[in-house]
Amino acid sequence: DSGVTQTPKHLITATGQRVTLRCSPRSGDLSVYWYQQSLDQGLQFLIQYYNGEERAKGNILERFSAQQFPDLHSELNLSSLELGDSALYFCASSPGGEAFFGQGTRLTVV
Amino acid sequence: AQTVTQSQPEMSVQEAETVTLSCTYDTSENNYYLFWYKQPPSRQMILVIRQEAYKQQNATENRFSVNFQKAAKSFSLKISDSQLGDTVMYFCAFMIMYSGGGADGLTFGKGTHLIIQP
Repeated sequence: DSGVTQTPKHLITATGQRVTLRCSPRSGDLSVYWYQQSLDQGLQFLIQYYNGEERAKGNILERFSAQQFPDLHSELNLSSLELGDSALYFCASSPGGEAFFGQGTRLTVV
Repeated sequence: AQTVTQSQPEMSVQEAETVTLSCTYDTSENNYYLFWYKQPPSRQMILVIRQEAYKQQNATENRFSVNFQKAAKSFSLKISDSQLGDTVMYFCAFMIMYSGGGADGLTFGKGTHLIIQP
């Protein structure tokens, strides 16, 4: 158990809809990272938050957004969903120098 | 931009043999970490081994060791006495460390599917 909790584990939704993925980092970790894993793009870094502030952006679409709350949990919001957004979405937390991953949320857009 | 290349999409060896997975990376940064993660069917990304770029000594974790060649930007993973349970996907990854503390997101290679034959 990495100590990082992601909910839900599975999510099926229709095109055009909006979903929210949730992540609780390990106790004491201030950094939260979001990643997307798909067959064609592989594992891609989306966005990082550190203690409530956005710190770095990767290949995140404009339809996607994230935030980190005062209790350090984070949410990834995906809107206007397309079939190509079907993927495994990981959250990871880090004390610095090492990332601990959650079990991921499998998103299927139909 | 940083890139990580794993040139072997799939490898297969016999149980108990030693296997080496290759990884090369490209960066202009000096302060970074390198990692090997494994991903079993459960999908969980599990850290196998970590190497700080400023350390010359190669990292070792039990049966797993790395050959870190900084000048060549090469970071291979050696698995000794391979076991059937080592049959999973392995990802090489790279992380830039900020000078003020903290780190950038991981850049991953495409992965190598390692198959250990009985």
